[in-house]
Amino acid sequence: DIVMTQSPDSLAVSLGERATINCKSSQSVLYSSNNKNYLTWYQQKPGQPPKLLISWASARESGVPDRFSGSGSGTDFTLTISSLQAEDVAVYYCQQYYSTPYTFGQGTKLEIK
Amino acid sequence: ELQLVESGGGLVQPGRSLGLSCTASGFTFGDYAMSWFRQAPGKGLEWVGLIRSKAYGGTTEYAASVKGRFTISRDDSKSIAYLQINSLKTEDTAVYYCTRALGTGWPFDPWGQGTLVTVSS
Repeated sequence: DIVMTQSPDSLAVSLGERATINCKSSQSVLYSSNNKNYLTWYQQKPGQPPKLLISWASARESGVPDRFSGSGSGTDFTLTISSLQAEDVAVYYCQQYYSTPYTFGQGTKLEIK
Repeated sequence: ELQLVESGGGLVQPGRSLGLSCTASGFTFGDYAMSWFRQAPGKGLEWVGLIRSKAYGGTTEYAASVKGRFTISRDDSKSIAYLQINSLKTEDTAVYYCTRALGTGWPFDPWGQGTLVTVSS
């Protein structure tokens, strides 16, 4: 199984400041035949289902604010929120869909400082 | 509007069985793989299993933790995916979500609101 490890577990950032969440996979999720990384980022607010923010490591979903960006390749990935807004308070998960069993990072709880 | 609605959750005694449904609307259900995930109270997300579209054989895959007790099926004529859970354990207590993907190796989106299964005597 591919183990996904996020850091930090929790993060407090001031409004308007940058938030950075890291995700590391125990093996590469880059598929060489198409040069795509099989990595998503989800946002989950209390009492709500996960919301897909970014797929293929860096492709922002329609309707997701452009302050959210994803980067990285292979085994190391980053979710960046360029200017934190109050509505961004949530738990963020990375997930690999390279191979089953699909696995998630443990989650990063993002709060306002 | 694209929508997934789970139903069938509730309070169940250990050892009993329970069937969950995921009713889809707003898209061509038969074109998509359907997957179930779960989230225990206060915990992270866990993949449970998936069923491929008929075009890809309609085959299923399961997490090791549920294999043999959980069964996923689908009825494309009704746009419903099912999750049958047998021999329930207290550790199966979770919110169960269904979601869709174009196939294995595709991201999952959207997710339903989830249905809570509580296993307790």
